[in-house]
Amino acid sequence: AQKVTQAQTEISVVEKEDVTLDCVYETRDTTYYLFWYKQPPSGELVFLIRRNSFDEQNEISGRYSWNFQKSTSSFNFTITASQVVDSAVYFCALSGETGANNLFFGTGTRLTVIP
Amino acid sequence: EAGVVQSPRYKIIEKKQPVAFWCNPISGHNTLYWYLQNLGQGPELLIRYENEEAVDDSQLPKDRFSAERLKGVDSTLKIQPAELGDSAVYLCASSLGGLAGVRDTQYFGPGTRLTVL
Repeated sequence: AQKVTQAQTEISVVEKEDVTLDCVYETRDTTYYLFWYKQPPSGELVFLIRRNSFDEQNEISGRYSWNFQKSTSSFNFTITASQVVDSAVYFCALSGETGANNLFFGTGTRLTVIP
Repeated sequence: EAGVVQSPRYKIIEKKQPVAFWCNPISGHNTLYWYLQNLGQGPELLIRYENEEAVDDSQLPKDRFSAERLKGVDSTLKIQPAELGDSAVYLCASSLGGLAGVRDTQYFGPGTRLTVL
């Protein structure tokens, strides 16, 4: 079965601090994809990144970076120098063959950046 | 390029009334999804369409929920009759589908927030 765990329910940081959002997944697939989405107060889920199971290279996009470690089944997301606009709920999700390529989401982490 | 469009954005109804939600996917996207998102939870799949065919509706409560995607483009999700527990956000998403397989990336609309009184 596919499962995604985001143990951090809520995180608050002061603007300009760095923050890491944790994501741990479970799957028996050898080929799978991991995703991060951002859900601001407007409600729309915004796609941030997709990573396949064969690529463990870390990725950086501006202030965002992702650390994928198969050994610990984790796909963590770090925001550097956080800004108020980063305040949102962040979801980690998994897609794999045994899940019929459907997305399985974690319960999300609510990030609040305090000015 | 226009994103996924949903309407209405908000809907308030009394229990036992019917309600319908509409979704127009990104142009060229063959796969369309309806999700249910309860407060404090991640989205959960209700139904997935490949073109006009519902390929996964295992989580759709078929006694009161129905969906259609007649021409393989836009889609409607209906609840009849609505119950108090149906209060939630209903999200629509679309993706290229086809041979994309597990790497297929879903793009979401803004959702419809339903309140059943």
